[in-house]
Amino acid sequence: EIVLTQSPGTLSLSPGERATLSCRASQSVSSSYLAWYQQRPGQAPRLLIYDASSRATGIPDRFSGSGSGTDFTLTIGRLAPEDSAVYYCQHYGSSPPYTFGQGTKLEIK
Amino acid sequence: EVQLVESGGGLVQPGGSLRLSCAASGFTFSSYAMGWVRQAPGKGLEWVSLISGGATTTHYADSVKGRFTVSRDNSRNTVYLQMNSLRAEDTAVYYCVKQINYYGAGSHHDFWGQGTMVTVSS
Repeated sequence: EIVLTQSPGTLSLSPGERATLSCRASQSVSSSYLAWYQQRPGQAPRLLIYDASSRATGIPDRFSGSGSGTDFTLTIGRLAPEDSAVYYCQHYGSSPPYTFGQGTKLEIK
Repeated sequence: EVQLVESGGGLVQPGGSLRLSCAASGFTFSSYAMGWVRQAPGKGLEWVSLISGGATTTHYADSVKGRFTVSRDNSRNTVYLQMNSLRAEDTAVYYCVKQINYYGAGSHHDFWGQGTMVTVSS
């Protein structure tokens, strides 16, 4: 089973700045089967990025994903107050389990 | 518009059972695998289970294997999670999720329900 480790645990930035979130896998992720989800307080998670770098429908281009193998990054440019949330990465391979990272909390000051 | 509406959560004693339902709409239900993800209070997300579009294939997290059973009724556009031998550590919000393909392999969750709370306590 692949273990995903996200860093940092908490990130505090100002509006307009750029956020860089990391997700490291314990072994190589096949076919870049890695997704990023955003969970705002009191809400269900929503899909941001899939296949490491493809934006989901309706997601602003301020959100971008990159990486391959064991190291993946979610970048959020020009931060806005509504970006305050917990962000999770998830591996989904050819066979479950589909593990999640522990999450990174992003605070917009 | 895709909608996933969970129901069936509530308070149950340790060792008890509960069945969750997820009513889906806005897409061809039988063409897609469906799944369940849970989140304990104040904690992160935990993948729980997956069922293929035709219900021929199911998968479970080790933490629920042998206790939980996922099923679906394609005539009712509904997926179920039967939870038996419940433990305190099963307390969580349970989210219904849609996969992007029929078998669920190599598939992320493109839509999520709003969740239903399950509390296991005496």
